[in-house]
Amino acid sequence: GAVVSQHPSRVICKSGTSVKIECRSLDFQATTMFWYRQFPKQSLMLMATSNEGSKATYEQGVEKDKFLINHASLTLSTLTVTSAHPEDSSFYICSAKNGRVKAFFGQGTRLTVV
Amino acid sequence: AQKITQTQPGMFVQEKEAVTLDCTYDTSDQSYGLFWYKQPSSGEMIFLIYQGSYDEQNATEGRYSLNFQKARKSANLVISASQLGDSAMYFCAMREGPGFQGAQKLVFGQGTRLTINP
Repeated sequence: GAVVSQHPSRVICKSGTSVKIECRSLDFQATTMFWYRQFPKQSLMLMATSNEGSKATYEQGVEKDKFLINHASLTLSTLTVTSAHPEDSSFYICSAKNGRVKAFFGQGTRLTVV
Repeated sequence: AQKITQTQPGMFVQEKEAVTLDCTYDTSDQSYGLFWYKQPSSGEMIFLIYQGSYDEQNATEGRYSLNFQKARKSANLVISASQLGDSAMYFCAMREGPGFQGAQKLVFGQGTRLTINP
């Protein structure tokens, strides 16, 4: 099946710094990828839709300037959490669709801001 | 209004028993898709099963089957012969609109934590 790889799986950063998370589709091209956020013991909430070659579409309430998304190629989307604060600590997970009906997810990134 | 509702926060089942995880949905679209994902403690989202709104037969994937009752807007997941490794969070999700029209976002339910007891 299709594989989506997300890196890093865990990251700890200092408050005020920026963190970049990568999401790669390994064996298919993904014109669209999705970024989700999951707080402990809660469901996944869509943050933004990442479109190759164009601007991302953000969900209501998600700060565009804090969560920068770049989809530079058909196999790579990046999420940069800028000027991270402790409240940004969460589990971030991406997904990509390979043209069929299934959406495949990356392994997720657990971000801790100290 | 919630688009996906999972009413069971937690379930405890004996090993080898069958278990049904409930999921109801709300949409005005005629074309939509319903998914079930398993999330173990590691955090990854593992795709289990998919049901399209126009699929006449209930989807099955090995020990997983989806009890699709369209009129009731219900898409329950049935796991037969449960195993210890089935212990995880299970999420029901919906995609609104036809799947062939490119990628659409998924809306997730709150999840059910399933624990299989030996």
